[in-house]
Amino acid sequence: KNQVEQSPQSLIILEGKNCTLQCNYTVSPFSNLRWYKQDTGRGPVSLTIMTFSENTKSNGRYTATLDADTKQSSLHITASQLSDSASYICVVFEGGGSGNTGKLIFGQGTTLQVKP
Amino acid sequence: DTGVSQDPRHKITKRGQNVTFRCDPISEHNRLYWYRQTLGQGPEFLTYFQNEAQLEKSRLLSDRFSAERPKGSFSTLEIQRTEQGDSAMYLCASSFHRLGGREEQYFGPGTRLTVT
Repeated sequence: KNQVEQSPQSLIILEGKNCTLQCNYTVSPFSNLRWYKQDTGRGPVSLTIMTFSENTKSNGRYTATLDADTKQSSLHITASQLSDSASYICVVFEGGGSGNTGKLIFGQGTTLQVKP
Repeated sequence: DTGVSQDPRHKITKRGQNVTFRCDPISEHNRLYWYRQTLGQGPEFLTYFQNEAQLEKSRLLSDRFSAERPKGSFSTLEIQRTEQGDSAMYLCASSFHRLGGREEQYFGPGTRLTVT
């Protein structure tokens, strides 16, 4: 069964600190992996997209890594800010060919709370 | 605002009533997706359209659910005879799909349904 598992489920850190969120997946065929940020009551917003051949991708203070061999990804947040408080969802795009269905397989998310 | 919009943002209904949600995608996007998200979970795929054709439906989409995209632009999701278990956030996303391209889905703000 195609699954995406994230850890930890929730995390509380102090403003200015760094943190790393983890994602393991068993989705096949694999097309790409995305990290989304979802503020409470809002739709998810894409942070990064990585294909099989990309190991690292950065977006400002967010850096995502991907190990396609072990099927693991991480999202590292540097110098956290209060506005980083949100749910971070790891999403794997199922399908490796041109005729893919475009189906996203979502993890359950990690809820991050940044405290002053 | 040129993003994905959804209407209404919140809906409270009594069990047994029918409800209909609307999604207006980004205008040049040919694909439109519906997801359901319950508290503390990632979104779950319900169905998607390419232009006006409904290409895939999840097993989650019981016969009480129906979705349409009559002219390949906006879409509606109707739930008949609502049950308390239907209470969730219903998210719409749109994308521009082309063969061999990397598809980016843009999410709307969601419609939060509460069935009492």
